[in-house]
Amino acid sequence: DVKVTQSSRYLVKRTGEKVFLECVQDMDHENMFWYRQDPGLGLRLIYFSYDVKMKEKGDIPEGYSVSREKKERFSLILESASTNQTSMYLCASSLVASGLYNEQFFGPGTRLTVL
Amino acid sequence: GENVEQHPSTLSVQEGDSAVIKCTYSDSASNYFPWYKQELGKRPQLIIDIRSNVGEKKDQRIAVTLNKTAKHFSLHITETQPEDSAVYFCAASIRVGFQKLVFGTGTRLLVSP
Repeated sequence: DVKVTQSSRYLVKRTGEKVFLECVQDMDHENMFWYRQDPGLGLRLIYFSYDVKMKEKGDIPEGYSVSREKKERFSLILESASTNQTSMYLCASSLVASGLYNEQFFGPGTRLTVL
Repeated sequence: GENVEQHPSTLSVQEGDSAVIKCTYSDSASNYFPWYKQELGKRPQLIIDIRSNVGEKKDQRIAVTLNKTAKHFSLHITETQPEDSAVYFCAASIRVGFQKLVFGTGTRLLVSP
């Protein structure tokens, strides 16, 4: 059973703080993703990674960075949190299998509030 | 890049009725179309998917249809039950080495007993 966990369910930070959101998956998946979910906007991709130390920008990377030092762990970093980054953040992972499309497994989400 | 539009944003039905959610995509190279269900307070989970070489796929009470010419695909739920109440997201993907999904904005389905 695939398990994707996120470090916090709820987080409250102040404007200007550096924020780390961590995601861990236990199924040896190559791909990992960070999304933010906002009402009426769906799931928007921030960054993804297809291998250790590899990263690609998604659709809304501004204000965020990521780190993937180990295969099972993918971190999202808000260098200087702002109120417009208040949102639900979802991590996901998927397997890479040549020629196949693979399900993305999501974590439970972190609801971040920036005051 | 790919853009996915989803309608309606909210759908209310009576238990036992059918529900249809529609999505359109912009990039004709998209070739994989999954649907995710997110119950209140829970994580999104894949419920069904379809590939571009297939026109329709069924799994018990849910089905997905794809019209490549018109670039739209739909989720059909028959004999709806209260436990079908959730937010449903469609997505589209162009597989280029690795799979990146572009999601629609979601449909909140409410099934009343």
